[in-house]
Amino acid sequence: DGGITQSPKYLFRKEGQNVTLSCEQNLNHDAMYWYRQDPGQGLRLIYYSQIVNDFQKGDIAEGYSVSREKKESFPLTVTSAQKNPTAFYLCASSSGGQDNEQFFGPGTRLTVL
Amino acid sequence: GEDVEQSLFLSVREGDSSVINCTYTDSSSTYLYWYKQEPGAGLQLLTYIFSNMDMKQDQRLTVLLNKKDKHLSLRIADTQTGDSAIYFCAEDSGNTPLVFGKGTRLSVIA
Repeated sequence: DGGITQSPKYLFRKEGQNVTLSCEQNLNHDAMYWYRQDPGQGLRLIYYSQIVNDFQKGDIAEGYSVSREKKESFPLTVTSAQKNPTAFYLCASSSGGQDNEQFFGPGTRLTVL
Repeated sequence: GEDVEQSLFLSVREGDSSVINCTYTDSSSTYLYWYKQEPGAGLQLLTYIFSNMDMKQDQRLTVLLNKKDKHLSLRIADTQTGDSAIYFCAEDSGNTPLVFGKGTRLSVIA
């Protein structure tokens, strides 16, 4: 079954702790993305990567970090510098090139206590 | 820059048609997409239209594209309670990543 997975579904952390959200895809896609979604708001782009070992900041990168060491994996770290980290985080991937359709994972809901 | 606008809320009665509208700014957009998000879930692609088309129909879904006005709409015929969700419009202007609207929350009243 091809798809994109995120784990865990729900995550709780204490304020001041770093936390890493997992995103894995077996679609052989070159590009991967991280979005943040707050209640009643649309998607805001945090980081994206078009190829292994390369990534770019999105609109709200401050307080977040990513790595892209493998094609299938794009983990997102929410650092203690992120002032308001409680949100729903969505990962997506696309093949790149002419067909830019994005496939989304099920999301991780992060709550910082 | 690129921007995609949608109204935030739409409420319809079960069995009626729903029409969700979207405007975009980039005239070089190649594909335009409609995604659906159910509560607590990721986004699922519903349908898409290529920029050289005016209309695309897929079962209960009809997409209309007015390229001159940069206006896209999604019509859902015979709307059911299971259609209650947030619907996102997105444009592909050839630059990664897609540009998404803020989403339209569709509420279906039984």
